[in-house]
Amino acid sequence: KQEVTQIPAALSVPEGENLVLNCSFTDSAIYNLQWFRQDPGKGLTSLLLIQSSQREQTSGRLNASLDKSSGRSTLYIAASQPGDSATYLCAVRFHSGGYQKVTFGTGTKLQVIP
Amino acid sequence: DVKVTQSSRYLVKRTGEKVFLECVQDMDHENMFWYRQDPGLGLRLIYFSYDVKMKEKGDIPEGYSVSREKKERFSLILESASTNQTSMYLCASSPTALQQYFGPGTRLTVT
Repeated sequence: KQEVTQIPAALSVPEGENLVLNCSFTDSAIYNLQWFRQDPGKGLTSLLLIQSSQREQTSGRLNASLDKSSGRSTLYIAASQPGDSATYLCAVRFHSGGYQKVTFGTGTKLQVIP
Repeated sequence: DVKVTQSSRYLVKRTGEKVFLECVQDMDHENMFWYRQDPGLGLRLIYFSYDVKMKEKGDIPEGYSVSREKKERFSLILESASTNQTSMYLCASSPTALQQYFGPGTRLTVT
């Protein structure tokens, strides 16, 4: 069974700090991996999508990397701001699940303290 | 911009009622999904559809059914609502094998 794990479950950092969120997955045969942000009581907003052939993707202060062989992805947030406070979810599309299905991690709840 | 809308943000229903949750997307995506999200359990896939009138069970389909009569609309049906179906329900759509776009969610309470 494919699993996606995110550790830590919660993280609190002072404003301005650079930080790394981790996502690990159990099967290296994937189509892609996607990072989302979720604000309390809201839906998910897509941040970055990394295809299986890519090593990283960047958008503004966000950089996501993918290492399929070790089953890991990291989301790097530079110069964190209070507005970055949210829950961050990673989602993996595994080959064996069929290309439509996505498996989600349980998320890391980030708090950036002013 | 891709837009995925859900019919209600908040819904309160009684045990045993039949409940319809509607989801509409405006980008002509083939795939649509229904998830529920619960604290500590994350998002779990209920059903998905990869074409009109086509559906596939996800990881937790029991107690739910779906309908996709038109490409843009995917409905989730709770045939007889129970208290353990109190949850946040999230709809998503995507083109094949590409990123998913989510709606704002419906928080359903069954009393």
